[in-house]
Amino acid sequence: AQKITQTQPGMFVQEKEAVTLDCTYDTSDPSYGLFWYKQPSSGEMIFLIYQGSYDQQNATEGRYSLNFQKARKSANLVISASQLGDSAMYFCAMTATDSWGKLQFGAGTQVVVTP
Amino acid sequence: DAGVIQSPRHEVTEMGQEVTLRCKPISGHNSLFWYRQTMMRGLELLIYFNNNVPIDDSGMPEDRFSAKMPNASFSTLKIQPSEPRDSAVYFCASRAAGGDEKLFFGSGTQLSVL
Repeated sequence: AQKITQTQPGMFVQEKEAVTLDCTYDTSDPSYGLFWYKQPSSGEMIFLIYQGSYDQQNATEGRYSLNFQKARKSANLVISASQLGDSAMYFCAMTATDSWGKLQFGAGTQVVVTP
Repeated sequence: DAGVIQSPRHEVTEMGQEVTLRCKPISGHNSLFWYRQTMMRGLELLIYFNNNVPIDDSGMPEDRFSAKMPNASFSTLKIQPSEPRDSAVYFCASRAAGGDEKLFFGSGTQLSVL
């Protein structure tokens, strides 16, 4: 069974600062994928970044980077140079290779960016 | 690309009525997923299809729920009869064939059953 843990229910960050959102996972699958999604107040789920368990390098997508530490089973999201539009709920999720897309989601972290 | 398209965006119905949610995946995507989001349970997978074939429906709550994918560009999730506890946001998501790992979600359908 897979489990995703996001221990930060909410956080405030000042505009232009960097913020790290924590995500730890537990799985017995040898091959898996890790995702981060953003859900603004409007409700849609926006794909941010993906990391494969066998990827050697940490994933980056613009201002988003994923700090993947496989031995520690963590996949933290780093948002650099926060913007007011980054205020949203952020979800970490994982899937096993043999059932790709069957995502197990964490509880989410609410981020509020202040001027 | 238009993205995953869901309709309706909002649905309000009375208990006992039939509800049909619709989804058009991204063109060329061959996997389609239906998720439900509630405050109590968070996001959970209901069912997913590969090449129009249902692969795993273990998340479908009960027989009142059914999903179909008659072709590669359309899927429906039906609830009959609906109950107040079915009130939630229902998301459709799709993924491309050929090893692309990214899973893209639609904007969701906010369902309220009174």
